[in-house]
Amino acid sequence: DAGITQSPRHKVTETGTPVTLRCHQTENHRYMYWYRQDPGHGLRLIHYSYGVKDTDKGEVSDGYSVSRSKTEDFLLTLESATSSQTSVYFCAIRATGTSSTYEQYFGPGTRLTVT
Amino acid sequence: QKEVEQNSGPLSVPEGAIASLNCTYSDRGSQSFFWYRQYSGKSPELIMSIYSNGDKEDGRFTAQLNKASQYVSLLIRDSQPSDSATYLCAVKTNAGKSTFGDGTTLTVKP
Repeated sequence: DAGITQSPRHKVTETGTPVTLRCHQTENHRYMYWYRQDPGHGLRLIHYSYGVKDTDKGEVSDGYSVSRSKTEDFLLTLESATSSQTSVYFCAIRATGTSSTYEQYFGPGTRLTVT
Repeated sequence: QKEVEQNSGPLSVPEGAIASLNCTYSDRGSQSFFWYRQYSGKSPELIMSIYSNGDKEDGRFTAQLNKASQYVSLLIRDSQPSDSATYLCAVKTNAGKSTFGDGTTLTVKP
């Protein structure tokens, strides 16, 4: 357990509504990531952060925005949810240190359904 | 061509057998390689990381890396029903991000 929580754990929302998912970590990790996982697919990177207010896009960033105003919180926002954004969303942190560089540890996930 | 490709499953082995999971990657400059296990409905869990050519053993798990062939594998010895899960291969590319394969689902039959 890397001290990562995600909220909400489950959400059903309607097309066109805004949605914000929260990732919270307690161990002061610098790097945080948002992934989505769809049936039959691996994890695809949406956005990541390398520090407070420092974020960058991943491979599937269209329709998503992120914010990181505090080290411990990384927010993912769907400005106007679409059915194609129905997925399971995982937050991850990257361990730091010589021997564990780039190892990632994941939160419990948020299952989002857009109807 | 996908950046990280895993052998398509599902893979089924009898209890006690060796399960072999394979992964190839396209970025020759990749330096770090990881195997994650994911139980159904759960989040991925890191089980092995490997950075140098050769074998790395941890209990019943052995990761093998061959950078010349751009190939990384995971062997699970004495497979148990509790090993039944989806295994994800991840590669840290030269761009500094980790790319995941689609996963191989392993079933260990008692």
